[in-house]
Amino acid sequence: EVQLLESGGGLVQPGGSLRLSCAASGFTFSSFAMSWVRQAPGKGLEWVSGISGSGGSTYYADSVKGRFTISRDNSRNTLYLQMNSLRAEDTAVYYCAKARYDFWSALERWGQGTLVIVSS
Amino acid sequence: QSALTQPASVSGSPGQSITISCTGTSSDVGAYNYVSWYQQHPGKVPKLMIYEINNRPSGVPDRFAGSKSGNTASLTISGLQAEDEADYYCISHTSSSTWVFGGGTKLTVL
Repeated sequence: EVQLLESGGGLVQPGGSLRLSCAASGFTFSSFAMSWVRQAPGKGLEWVSGISGSGGSTYYADSVKGRFTISRDNSRNTLYLQMNSLRAEDTAVYYCAKARYDFWSALERWGQGTLVIVSS
Repeated sequence: QSALTQPASVSGSPGQSITISCTGTSSDVGAYNYVSWYQQHPGKVPKLMIYEINNRPSGVPDRFAGSKSGNTASLTISGLQAEDEADYYCISHTSSSTWVFGGGTKLTVL
């Protein structure tokens, strides 16, 4: 069974940094692209970043480009999102999601999410 | 990248059919067949309902159907049931190698 477990969320001050992790199991992690999607409280979904199965290709939404870095460790079956220069508008539940196969395929499985709150 | 346009809300009675539209541009919905639809119940994780315009993952009832015409994709739910009441989001691949979501549509089953 596919399982995705996010961690690393919490309260951080504006301008601060946080690293999210997503531990994957139940599938051959390196064979699938992954993405991070966020949802601000009471708001809609926003795609944040994606990465190919090998980790060689990364993609970012304009809203986080230059501040966030996606990466993966295929030996540890773990996806990461390094978030720097955090702003209040980055406050959201962050989901990691597994693609059906490559980056252009649909996000077929989602984790339960981890909450990030950016506030002083 | 601007969000895709969805109606804020739609409603229907049990047994009826409803359609949710998702309008983008020639750089996203109109350019690719990589359009998906997600269902999200309050407090729950989004669930993939339709991928690549009109394909249903295993386990999704055939009451859910997707289509596309030009820059607009659509999700049709026939034979509405109470458990279909949820938020629905479309998402499309873009020419910038990103993904863009619609703003979401709240479906109310009357």
